[in-house]
Amino acid sequence: KQEVTQIPAALSVPEGENLVLNCSFTDSAIYNLQWFRQDPGKGLTSLLLIQSSQREQTSGRLNASLDKSSGRSTLYIAASQPGDSATYLCAVSDGGSARQLTFGSGTQLTVLP
Amino acid sequence: KAGVTQTPRYLIKTRGQQVTLSCSPISGHRSVSWYQQTPGQGLQFLFEYFSETQRNKGNFPGRFSGRQFSNSRSEMNVSTLELGDSALYLCASTLGTGPGANVLTFGAGSRLTVL
Repeated sequence: KQEVTQIPAALSVPEGENLVLNCSFTDSAIYNLQWFRQDPGKGLTSLLLIQSSQREQTSGRLNASLDKSSGRSTLYIAASQPGDSATYLCAVSDGGSARQLTFGSGTQLTVLP
Repeated sequence: KAGVTQTPRYLIKTRGQQVTLSCSPISGHRSVSWYQQTPGQGLQFLFEYFSETQRNKGNFPGRFSGRQFSNSRSEMNVSTLELGDSALYLCASTLGTGPGANVLTFGAGSRLTVL
């Protein structure tokens, strides 16, 4: 059974810092890996999707990498801003469908002004 | 274009009752997935529907069921509610095929409280 772990569980940084969020998964047979953000009381917003054949994806200040063989992904956030404060979730798809996701428990990020 | 719409946003039920939640996907999206989010278990996959057919089902008891209509709108039903069913239920839609098939767009969720 796939298990996804995210470290750290919570992170607090001053505005402007670059930071890295970590995600690990136990079964490397995945279709893809996605990073989401969730604001309090709201749904999830997709940030980046990395196909199993890709090594990284970039969107603006965000860069996500995937090392499938070691079961690891990182989300790099450059020049953090208070608006980046949210919970960041990593999810992998495997099993029956590329849309059946197994989520990590998330990293709660606070960016202090 | 409009996002994924879930109704109702909040509801309170008592143990033993049943509940039906609705999800209207983005226009043109044919795949709808449902997830349960609780503080203890996090986000867990319930089921996925594509063109009115259930494609996959997560590890939930038979009290949890769903369906999808010809217009891609989906409903999920929970019967004989238990306290542990209190959760945020999230619906996500995707095109289901072609480029972007696996990029999920989530709704804001339906928060169910069981007393």
